[in-house]
Amino acid sequence: TQLLEQSPQFLSIQEGENLTVYCNSSSVFSSLQWYRQEPGEGPVLLVTVVTGGEVKKLKRLTFQFGDARKDSSLHITAAQPGDTGLYLCAGTSGSARQLTFGSGTQLTVLP
Amino acid sequence: DAGVTQSPTHLIKTRGQQVTLRCSPISGHKSVSWYQQVLGQGPQFIFQYYEKEERGRGNFPDRFSARQFPNYSSELNVNALLLGDSALYLCASSWASGGLNTEAFFGQGTRLTVV
Repeated sequence: TQLLEQSPQFLSIQEGENLTVYCNSSSVFSSLQWYRQEPGEGPVLLVTVVTGGEVKKLKRLTFQFGDARKDSSLHITAAQPGDTGLYLCAGTSGSARQLTFGSGTQLTVLP
Repeated sequence: DAGVTQSPTHLIKTRGQQVTLRCSPISGHKSVSWYQQVLGQGPQFIFQYYEKEERGRGNFPDRFSARQFPNYSSELNVNALLLGDSALYLCASSWASGGLNTEAFFGQGTRLTVV
């Protein structure tokens, strides 16, 4: 069974601070996706990374896929209250059809 | 273009009842997957359908079943509901059934409460 562990589980910071969320596994993933989910809504895809060592930037968000494709990180600079939400990482591997999700990081950015 | 649409948005059922949830994928997408998200956890995979065939099944009991129609819409059925089935049920649509094109786009979900 492939597992994705996210840390921290909860994170509360002040507006303007930087933060990093981690997603780790002992398994290799062929691709990894990051989603943000708000209460009562479905997850919204932020980015997909597929190459070991790949770095993608989306405005103030920087996503990195580990060299061995077993881990990933999400870094947010100058966090804003609008960044508040549940951040989920999800991976696919081999012939598996489904996404394996981490348990999520609940981020709260205080004004 | 419309995104993934799910109905109903909220549902309250009694233990032992049966429920049917519906999903319409993004136009052009042929794959639909269903996930269960219990409060405080990440989504758990239930089923994937592609071109009307089941392509994957998660670790859920036989009370859970699904099907996909010729127009690629899908239904998830749950029989003999238990309190523990209370969750947000998410439908995800993607163009293909696997590989690097597995980018999934989610609907807003159906919040099922079993009392």
